[in-house]
Amino acid sequence: DTGVSQDPRHKITKRGQNVTFRCDPISEHNRLYWYRQTLGQGPEFLTYFQNEAQLEKSRLLSDRFSAERPKGSFSTLEIQRTEQGDSAMYLCASSLEEGADTQYFGPGTRLTVL
Amino acid sequence: QKEVEQNSGPLSVPEGAIASLNCTYSDRGSQSFFWYRQYSGKSPELIMSIYSNGDKEDGRFTAQLNKASQYVSLLIRDSQPSDSATYLCAVNKITGGGNKLTFGTGTQLKVEL
Repeated sequence: DTGVSQDPRHKITKRGQNVTFRCDPISEHNRLYWYRQTLGQGPEFLTYFQNEAQLEKSRLLSDRFSAERPKGSFSTLEIQRTEQGDSAMYLCASSLEEGADTQYFGPGTRLTVL
Repeated sequence: QKEVEQNSGPLSVPEGAIASLNCTYSDRGSQSFFWYRQYSGKSPELIMSIYSNGDKEDGRFTAQLNKASQYVSLLIRDSQPSDSATYLCAVNKITGGGNKLTFGTGTQLKVEL
């Protein structure tokens, strides 16, 4: 049972560029979450998928952000026209619907916008 | 009032001592409570989960929950230098069928030799 994987682990981009991150959840986990964490803060919820359906989006997720989970397996998070304020660690977590729905986090993608 | 509050620390304890980490939450409808450990530059790692009032022990870790007081704590016995990290308290909110986690800002623990 491999853990949650994320790619890339680090991304440096210039302001105004688009970036896309990928998350592969633990196999058979049907729930997938995206969080964002900035220095000195706890992770903040961005969005949540159950299978391929995106069931909730935070108000933090502006129209520049879009997330997909096309086949209910891996997910992508795209940020268009990046801003310096988007610099953060982007964390993906997955869980099973049954039971405690405990969320397990991937290693994260650290985004730096210059 | 923050939804989940933690003392940011740092909390310094000598090696071998008991470290006590505390967390309060505001939403009385919260149902599940989690402690995650996060080393600098790394992602959160699940340490403990607790769902009902009382204590839950797992090795050197004990989680305590008091829903009436909206309080959850984590005790680490025989603290080791490798326990030095930030400990994040997380509380679930069931929304749209999912369990969105709301995190505190974390407490930095330093275990000194």
